[in-house]
Formats: sequence, C-alpha cells, structure tokens
Amino acid sequence: SYVLTQPPSVSVAPGKTATITCGGDNIASKSVHWYQQTPGQAPVLVIYYNTDRPSGIPERFSGSNSGNTATLTISRVEAGDEADYFCQVWDSTGDHVVVFGGGTKLTVL
Amino acid sequence: QVQLVQSGAEVKKPGASVKVSCKTSGYTFTTHGISWVRRAPGQGLEWMGWISTSSSNKIYAQKFQGRVTMATDTSTSTAYLELMSLRSDDTAIYYCAVNAGTYFPLDFWGQGTLVTVSS
Repeated sequence: SYVLTQPPSVSVAPGKTATITCGGDNIASKSVHWYQQTPGQAPVLVIYYNTDRPSGIPERFSGSNSGNTATLTISRVEAGDEADYFCQVWDSTGDHVVVFGGGTKLTVL
Repeated sequence: QVQLVQSGAEVKKPGASVKVSCKTSGYTFTTHGISWVRRAPGQGLEWMGWISTSSSNKIYAQKFQGRVTMATDTSTSTAYLELMSLRSDDTAIYYCAVNAGTYFPLDFWGQGTLVTVSS
C-alpha cells in the first residue's frame, strides 16, 4: 500500500514561513490534498490538487508537488495557524483508497 | 452553504455496534459521494471508506471490511456509518465528509461524532 511520510512536528516564529513536507514514492504523479485540523474542530481543506486554494483560504497558504515530495507552505505565519496538518492522496494500485499522511503538528513559537 | 450535521456522542460496550448519521444540506446530495474518516486519541486521520450517493457503489478500507456498513437515504440527504464488533481501539471521533469520488478532495466535513468503547 502507498505510504505518505510527514515530519511529526514543525515550529516557526510568527511572521515567518512554515514548510511542511509530505513524502511518497513518485508522489508527483498523484494529486495531493492538504487539511488543517485545529484542536476540537473538524478538518478543513486548505489546498487541493497540489496547488489550488478553496474559497476562503488565505493566499498565505500554498502548495507544490515534485519528485517524491509534496510541500505545504504557510507564509507570514499567525498564531491561528497552529494546528495539525495532513496530506492526502488517492492510491489507485488495486482498489481506489484514500491515504493520509501521519500528520504534522505546527507550533507557532 | 454546505452543512453536514452528525449525530451525537455514543458510549458502547465492547462487542456492540454503533450507527452514526450525517445529515447534509446546501448542495444536491446525489452529486457527491461521502467518505467516512476517524481520528483516535493521539493518532492521525484514518479513512474508513466511501459511498456513492447516486448508485450502490462503495469502497471500504481493507481494515474495516466485514465490520463496517455505509448507507445513504436520498429522501433525507443523510449518510450512515455502522461499525460492528466494537473494540476499545475503535474509540475515536468519526467524521463524514463530502467527497465527489476517486481523486477528488474531501471538500466539507461534519463536526464529528465521539464514539467511546468501554466496558
């Protein structure tokens, strides 16, 4: 089965840029979606199809996907960005199934 | 606006079953499927499966096959998740999410339903 690997934690100072990676075998051949989950809340889609932002998501959130790594970048980080972030793909080898990365806890210092 | 409202928290004993509902509004129910995802304490997101709202198509994650049933009621725009033979490690928050189909993102999520399995 397909495996997505994320760093367990990332720390960043307010106003700086946070980079969260999502590793997978030739992940560039897949579409990657990213979700933000703050404590006590449901996940929210923040990036879809590698680079697109849903309505209402700030332009500070951006995504890229190349080689074996997809990346979520949050510019000008704010305290409210502190959350768990999950990458997700559909694995079409065999049955079509959803695969989530293990999640990254973003801490704003 | 799109809304998914889930049923309330449940406490179940090991071996029992639980049924969670997810009532949708704000869009045409039969144009998008529904995925179910759970998050156990201290763990990440775990996908359980997907159900079409316009056909009988379902995809269950291998881990849950034989123990999970997903269903929909188009007359009330509601999706259902039933998990049987509950164990303590099924304790988690269960979410439904609008998910048009394969390769599509999980666009909108319900608020979650806490299921606690304890003797």
